[in-house]
Amino acid sequence: NAGVTQTPKFQVLKTGQSMTLQCAQDMNHNSMYWYRQDPGMGLRLIYYSASEGTTDKGEVPNGYNVSRLNKREFSLRLESAAPSQTSVYFCASSVGSGRALLTQYFGPGTRLLVL
Amino acid sequence: GDSVTQMEGPVTLSEEAFLTINCTYTATGYPSLFWYVQYPGEGLQLLLKATKADDKGSNKGFEATYRKETTSFHLEKGSVQVSDSAVYFCALSDRDAGNMLTFGGGTRLMVKP
Repeated sequence: NAGVTQTPKFQVLKTGQSMTLQCAQDMNHNSMYWYRQDPGMGLRLIYYSASEGTTDKGEVPNGYNVSRLNKREFSLRLESAAPSQTSVYFCASSVGSGRALLTQYFGPGTRLLVL
Repeated sequence: GDSVTQMEGPVTLSEEAFLTINCTYTATGYPSLFWYVQYPGEGLQLLLKATKADDKGSNKGFEATYRKETTSFHLEKGSVQVSDSAVYFCALSDRDAGNMLTFGGGTRLMVKP
């Protein structure tokens, strides 16, 4: 099992460019999450998908969109990148959410630099 | 809203020293508490968890006890190794807040031989 995979590992963008971060899990998990990690701030939730076909905003959704393509895949899109979006992005998945929340499993991360 | 506060790092220790990383929390409900570890270049991994007061989570020699009276979940290890060098995150999951994880800022631990 690969667990949670993310592509790309590293990306440099210019301000205003767009890109999509890809995430896939092979654990048959229902719930998937996107976080950003900034120095000294821990991880902050951008968007999550409690189940296939649903998505909800997290703590810091502005400037991002997501798509739950199927049960395995959950992508994060930056339509017009800004320097403030320079960060490390982590995708995670769990068996369930809400009252059935169990351990979240994280991917290796995507390091994004916006110039 | 919910929040998690961790001691700022970096924490630098010699091998075989005793480790404590402090974590305190505020939550509206009755949260579950977690410690995650991030090794260099990798994603986060669950280290241990506790779901109710006085529970002790333990794994790989690390321990943490859920203290409701002091709203704390301090991480301890009796004898650290160089391989324990990583960033440690305390987190909570609150049923009254949809069970989403709220993370502390992370504490970097460096263990020297």
